[in-house]
Amino acid sequence: QKEVEQDPGPLSVPEGAIVSLNCTYSNSAFQYFMWYRQYSRKGPELLMYTYSSGNKEDGRFTAQVDKSSKYISLFIRDSQPSDSATYLCAMPPTGNQFYFGTGTSLTVIP
Amino acid sequence: NAGVTQTPKFRVLKTGQSMTLLCAQDMNHEYMYWYRQDPGMGLRLIHYSVGEGTTAKGEVPDGYNVSRLKKQNFLLGLESAAPSQTSVYFCASTPRAMPTNEKLFFGSGTQLSVL
Repeated sequence: QKEVEQDPGPLSVPEGAIVSLNCTYSNSAFQYFMWYRQYSRKGPELLMYTYSSGNKEDGRFTAQVDKSSKYISLFIRDSQPSDSATYLCAMPPTGNQFYFGTGTSLTVIP
Repeated sequence: NAGVTQTPKFRVLKTGQSMTLLCAQDMNHEYMYWYRQDPGMGLRLIHYSVGEGTTAKGEVPDGYNVSRLKKQNFLLGLESAAPSQTSVYFCASTPRAMPTNEKLFFGSGTQLSVL
């Protein structure tokens, strides 16, 4: 079983839609949960991070962690064409390595 | 304000050829990483370094070597390239060890094709 599982999509939505991106993980030791956004032909950039359980909101983006279910989500409200990118969940364990999901490709259609 | 710079951006190799990918960061970060990204596989760690003169293996180290002779540079070498090494390679750095809220700073990637 992989440490982090993520639905690869692709996901295509109309502008203004609410988008839900999800990851599951197997290691209960994970404490930090991050979302990276990667535009085409670019390196990933950190979008949001949360520590432990709960929600965190930043503008149109909300990150949610449910440690009891080992499930994390990223919600995008009022999605825009500029949100079109690949979104990767990432979790650093107690060592020096990150575990990344495979990424979900999102296209927002004007 | 360069951040993490990777060279070259594109390269085509023939099977058996060798090459070195260079990663340079100007943020005085201690930790540096080399990842490869393949469709459906996500980012996989090849090698990493926790400081000048130190390196360690990641998830997929076979066929690659690395060196960190200077703190700001992290080199990834392919001694005898194989078609299975066709991928997009990303370098990343971070000030200190995880887990923290420190983010990984990524370069813009190197597209490598091995024919």
